[in-house]
Amino acid sequence: DAGITQSPRHKVTETGTPVTLRCHQTENHRYMYWYRQDPGHGLRLIHYSYGVKDTDKGEVSDGYSVSRSKTEDFLLTLESATSSQTSVYFCATRDSSGNTIYFGEGSWLTVV
Amino acid sequence: AQSVAQPEDQVNVAEGNPLTVKCTYSVSGNPYLFWYVQYPNRGLQFLLKYITGDNLVKGSYGFEAEFNKSQTSFHLKKPSALVSDSALYFCAVRDITGTASKLTFGTGTRLQVTL
Repeated sequence: DAGITQSPRHKVTETGTPVTLRCHQTENHRYMYWYRQDPGHGLRLIHYSYGVKDTDKGEVSDGYSVSRSKTEDFLLTLESATSSQTSVYFCATRDSSGNTIYFGEGSWLTVV
Repeated sequence: AQSVAQPEDQVNVAEGNPLTVKCTYSVSGNPYLFWYVQYPNRGLQFLLKYITGDNLVKGSYGFEAEFNKSQTSFHLKKPSALVSDSALYFCAVRDITGTASKLTFGTGTRLQVTL
């Protein structure tokens, strides 16, 4: 595994509040990803990063923003949380030479 | 755009019997294919991958997968199922265009192995 730590692991928040999820990796991997997992949809890519300050949108990016100021940290922010963003969020990483993407343990977010 | 289909929401098999979890894919070029397993309340664990070479790929925990280009399939198999194999299994295809090589996942198949 790629030494990926997600925080918080569980969070309940109210509609309209901002939320930030943090992903920290210890393997110096270049690429980092945020996915969400929902029943019937599998995992869908929200945003990804291919280096410090280099990020791009995935297929379900509306309502989310990301930042990567250091190689080891990739932050996912919900600017104004909605109930449709209740989900399990997974961070993942990959190094430049490898083909395999490794996942963190997930962050369970409930928006009430 | 690439896509992955896992036609079965759930597969039930008795312990000791062979198991197959199906996956078909669609990509414009050569596929990079992956299987991951997810246990309850955990992240996804990498099982195996096909990049190139032998069509039969062996992975962790006794699992293997067969790449079939003509049928665009990458089915996961195990000769003898264990109760501990019960979990959610995801097939994924890698997009090799662009810089980030993103994975596209299927919707998952729940494997239930019973005594």
